[in-house]
Amino acid sequence: DQQVKQNSPSLSVQEGRISILNCDYTNSMFDYFLWYKKYPAEGPTFLISISSIKDKNEDGRFTVFLNKSAKHLSLHIVPSQPGDSAVYFCAARTFGGATNKLIFGTGTLLAVQP
Amino acid sequence: EPEVTQTPSHQVTQMGQEVILRCVPISNHLYFYWYRQILGQKVEFLVSFYNNEISEKSEIFDDQFSVERPDGSNFTLKIRSTKLEDSAMYFCASNNVGGYTFGSGTRLTVV
Repeated sequence: DQQVKQNSPSLSVQEGRISILNCDYTNSMFDYFLWYKKYPAEGPTFLISISSIKDKNEDGRFTVFLNKSAKHLSLHIVPSQPGDSAVYFCAARTFGGATNKLIFGTGTLLAVQP
Repeated sequence: EPEVTQTPSHQVTQMGQEVILRCVPISNHLYFYWYRQILGQKVEFLVSFYNNEISEKSEIFDDQFSVERPDGSNFTLKIRSTKLEDSAMYFCASNNVGGYTFGSGTRLTVV
C-alpha cells in the first residue's frame, strides 16, 4: 500500500547548492503533509509542514511546495549544508476521526558534499 | 521544548520472550502512536490511541501486540512473544493540533 512514495532513494548535492527532494501521493483525502529529517538510530525530527489548502510554505532555508493536481510535493533546501545530510521522509495525514495517523514515504538519503 | 521520552534505548531479547517498550508522551497531547522502522525500510504505522482506547491499528499490530496508558503519563507497547522479524526501531509519537513529536526510539533486537 504505497500511498506515499519517494522515488529517489538517494541524492547528492554540493554544499551551497539547492537540494530538491520529491514526494508523490495517491490518496486525495490527505489534508496535511510533513517533512521529517532522520539520522540513524534517532527518531524523526520535524522540519516543515504544509496544509492541503496552501501551495507553498517557507521556513528559513526550507520551502515545501504542494501541487495538488499532480499529487506531488517537494522540499527545497537552500543553501544546502553538510549538516543537512540525513534521510528525509515525507509524510501525509488524513484528518478526522480518532486517529490522525501519518503515512510515511520510503525516504531519500541526502548527502551534502563539502 | 517538550519531548517524547522512550525507554530503553536498546533492548535485546530472546525469541519468544515478552518485551515492554515504554514512552512518556507530551503531557497535553491527545493522540498517541507507535511506529516501527525495520532496518533500511520506511517508518510504518502500528497503532494509534485516543481517549484511552485504540483508535486504529495496522495489519502488523496482531494479537501479539498490545498498548496501554496505565497512569495518564506512560504509554507502553507490549509484544507478548517476540519473533525474529520484530527486530526494528520502535518509535512512540504524540500529537495535538498540527504537530507530531517523535521519541528517539527503542532499538529492539530479537535473537
